[in-house]
Amino acid sequence: DTAVSQTPKYLVTQMGNDKSIKCEQNLGHDTMYWYKQDSKKFLKIMFSYNNKELIINETVPNRFSPKSPDKAHLNLHINSLELGDSAVYFCASSQRGRGTQYFGPGTRLLVL
Amino acid sequence: AQTVTQSQPEMSVQEAETVTLSCTYDTSESDYYLFWYKQPPSRQMILVIRQEAYKQQNATENRFSVNFQKAAKSFSLKISDSQLGDAAMYFCAYATNFGNEKLTFGTGTRLTIIP
Repeated sequence: DTAVSQTPKYLVTQMGNDKSIKCEQNLGHDTMYWYKQDSKKFLKIMFSYNNKELIINETVPNRFSPKSPDKAHLNLHINSLELGDSAVYFCASSQRGRGTQYFGPGTRLLVL
Repeated sequence: AQTVTQSQPEMSVQEAETVTLSCTYDTSESDYYLFWYKQPPSRQMILVIRQEAYKQQNATENRFSVNFQKAAKSFSLKISDSQLGDAAMYFCAYATNFGNEKLTFGTGTRLTIIP
């Protein structure tokens, strides 16, 4: 029983392409997040949605656009991919007010 | 803004021994959560332990325990009876207890277990 799942797990693409990463959680949580882990393993929040409403939007280029069709799903679309977008992207979920976030397996994105 | 500092980029410990990983944080809030996450080579982020700031008692989970010093803003992780499966990156993280509950992470400590 996968709690937080992401697809795909690996993504290799050329500069300038557009790609999407999908995330789904079956924990019944109301809040979902996207984090980026760079090559030095540093993790940083990108976006957060609570009940389909955007509540956190850190300083992220406009090429990144999250979408939450319902509270169990959070997708990340990236336009015009750049070399610097290469990273591992993690989805996470939590119940607001409970603190603990549960992470998906990550999507390793490599831009060539 | 909240910050989390892990001053030990790498640590190593003999199998079956005890090791302590350090973490300090900075915040002006009085109510918050602190976490330790483990990231093995599989890259999965696994919750190890969590501490609520209002609780004075230190959290424990089997071989894992924390030393939470609220006044000193310190949150160290002790791993007892270290096992080969404990080898991983360990991240200390902070989250507020209200509003935007994003996790702010430290830079991580890579733990090596020596057989």
